[in-house]
Amino acid sequence: QQQVKQSPQSLIVQKGGISIINCAYENTAFDYFPWYQQFPGKGPALLIAIRPDVSEKKEGRFTISFNKSAKQFSLHIMDSQPGDSATYFCAASMVTDKLIFGTGTRLQVFP
Amino acid sequence: DAMVIQNPRYQVTQFGKPVTLSCSQTLNHNVMYWYQQKSSQAPKLLFHYYDKDFNNEADTPDNFQSRRPNTSFCFLDIRSPGLGDAAMYLCATSRARLPGPANSPLHFGNGTRLTVT
Repeated sequence: QQQVKQSPQSLIVQKGGISIINCAYENTAFDYFPWYQQFPGKGPALLIAIRPDVSEKKEGRFTISFNKSAKQFSLHIMDSQPGDSATYFCAASMVTDKLIFGTGTRLQVFP
Repeated sequence: DAMVIQNPRYQVTQFGKPVTLSCSQTLNHNVMYWYQQKSSQAPKLLFHYYDKDFNNEADTPDNFQSRRPNTSFCFLDIRSPGLGDAAMYLCATSRARLPGPANSPLHFGNGTRLTVT
């Protein structure tokens, strides 16, 4: 119940395309869903986060879509750029507990 | 710039030889975390400090210890490293104990990559 399942494991997208990464969870008590971006040799950095009281949050080219009934959330990267090539981790937590990370998606954007 | 700094970036140690990794922060955050990240895997929380209050994860081996002498510094001690302990070790901080909604996100350092020979 504490798992966050992430897919796909790797993703190759052409420059200008849309990258979509999906996550699913079981624990309905989770109420915070962040996405972290990690470049090689660097620590993860918070990219965008959402609470379950909204269905979508957009920051620039990055959008989180949240489906509470399906217990799923996804990250959409519009107009993907080579500089977006990184590993993306979804995560979830309850207010009273630690972050549970997904297994990560390695995104490669080719020119 | 306020940040989380980990030293060294790369550490090589011998099997069974104690090793210490260090983390410092200029964010003045109350909480400091240590994560272990193996290749192509998610970060795994080992333990965290809320101020001086130490919180160990249930599945963290006894081989891993931590010290936080003051707000700014935190150390990870591996008493007898095994080959399976080779990994990236990430230090992170947050202002409050909980990674609550947008109020207390985790700030990660760039990690120390540990090699065990």
